[in-house]
Amino acid sequence: DVKVTQSSRYLVKRTGEKVFLECVQDMDHENMFWYRQDPGLGLRLIYFSYDVKMKEKGDIPEGYSVSREKKERFSLILESASTNQTSMYLCASSLVPAGGSPDTQYFGPGTRLTVL
Amino acid sequence: AQKVTQAQTEISVVEKEDVTLDCVYETRDTTYYLFWYKQPPSGELVFLIRRNSFDEQNEISGRYSWNFQKSTSSFNFTITASQVVDSAVYFCALPKSILTGGGNKLTFGTGTQLKVEL
Repeated sequence: DVKVTQSSRYLVKRTGEKVFLECVQDMDHENMFWYRQDPGLGLRLIYFSYDVKMKEKGDIPEGYSVSREKKERFSLILESASTNQTSMYLCASSLVPAGGSPDTQYFGPGTRLTVL
Repeated sequence: AQKVTQAQTEISVVEKEDVTLDCVYETRDTTYYLFWYKQPPSGELVFLIRRNSFDEQNEISGRYSWNFQKSTSSFNFTITASQVVDSAVYFCALPKSILTGGGNKLTFGTGTQLKVEL
């Protein structure tokens, strides 16, 4: 079974702090994703990585950065946390199948971040 | 641009009732995939189905069935004889357009909260 783990289920930080959210997958997937989930807005893509050290901005990258130094690990960084970044953060991973068709994304349990 | 609409924000049913969750999509692509995910209270999204637009046959998996209608751009999900364990948020998703190089990235609907009560 694919396993995607996230470093924390719940996190409370103060405004202005630097926050690291870690995600690890154990299935050798090339693609990794960070989403945030807010009520009434569904899931929105923050960043996407298709290989080590490779990344693409998603729909809402402002205020975030990412790091992928190893294939299995994808980190989301909030350089200076703000209250509007209080949200549920979900990490996912997927293969890159032949032909380029999108493969199934497998999700971690999520991190509920509160910024005070 | 790709768009997924789940107009039902919340549905409440009594156990053993059948329930259908609607998903309407917009895409410029001629071939595409559609997904459904379930998010139980624990928070982790669980994959339910991935469907290719070439295949318009309905899909059945136990109490779950999916009706794909290309003519109306809909991919609806029906739970037969609902159970309390079906209570969750359900998301429909569509990959971003391959015309813009986005085939690996998903556009999600806003989700439908299903509550199944005894």
